[in-house]
Amino acid sequence: EAQVTQNPRYLITVTGKKLTVTCSQNMNHEYMSWYRQDPGLGLRQIYYSMNVEVTDKGDVPEGYKVSRKEKRNFPLILESPSPNQTSLYFCASSPRTFRGIGSNQPQHFGDGTRLSIL
Amino acid sequence: GNSVTQMEGPVTLSEEAFLTINCTYTATGYPSLFWYVQYPGEGLQLLLKATKADDKGSNKGFEATYRKETTSFHLEKGSVQVSDSAVYFCALSDTLSGGYQKVTFGTGTKLQVIP
Repeated sequence: EAQVTQNPRYLITVTGKKLTVTCSQNMNHEYMSWYRQDPGLGLRQIYYSMNVEVTDKGDVPEGYKVSRKEKRNFPLILESPSPNQTSLYFCASSPRTFRGIGSNQPQHFGDGTRLSIL
Repeated sequence: GNSVTQMEGPVTLSEEAFLTINCTYTATGYPSLFWYVQYPGEGLQLLLKATKADDKGSNKGFEATYRKETTSFHLEKGSVQVSDSAVYFCALSDTLSGGYQKVTFGTGTKLQVIP
C-alpha cells in the first residue's frame, strides 16, 4: 500500500530535550516536505527536499532541522524544542514535476504527529 | 507571493443541504488548484484538482471549477452527508525555478453535518 508513515503519532516532552520525528514514504517520490498545522493558520511549510541531499527552508524553518540521506526518509529534528513548537506536524511527499508540464501532482500526507512541549 | 483565502468556519449544515465553501487565490503564474479533506485524526487527502482555467474537478459528489477571471475555486456539493464532516483545505501549487512544486494552503474550513 502506498503510504507516508510518521512516528511517533503523539509525543509529550519538555523544553530543550532534543527530539526527532521520522517520516518514510514507499512511493519513490523525489519531493518531501514538512508542515505544521495550527488553528487559524492552516498548514505552513517548515522545510522541503527536492531529492537526496537537497533540502531548503520553507516558510517557518526557525528551530527545526532536516536531513535527506535516503530517498525514502525525511526526518524532522528539533534540537532544543520550545513550547511555541507545540503543534500538529505533517510529512508529505509528491513525485517530481517537470517545467512546462505543470505543477499538478498532489501531495501524499502522513497521518500526523501531535507534539506537546511543556 | 502566492496566497489562498478560504471562508472561515465552522460551517454547520443539515444532512442533504447544499454546500458551498468559498476559496479565492492570488498567484503570479499559472497554478494548479486543489481541494484536500482532513478527517479527524488523519492527514490530508486529495479530494479534487484542476490544472487550468475552466477545468472542473469532481469527486465523491464534490465539484469545483477553476475560474481565472475571478481567481476562485469554490467547492460545492449538492447534498451533504454526515460522513462529509471534516476540515476542507483549498490549495494552490506552482512550480518554482529549479522545478520544485510549491504548495500554498488556505487556513481550512471545518464542516459539520448534523442528521
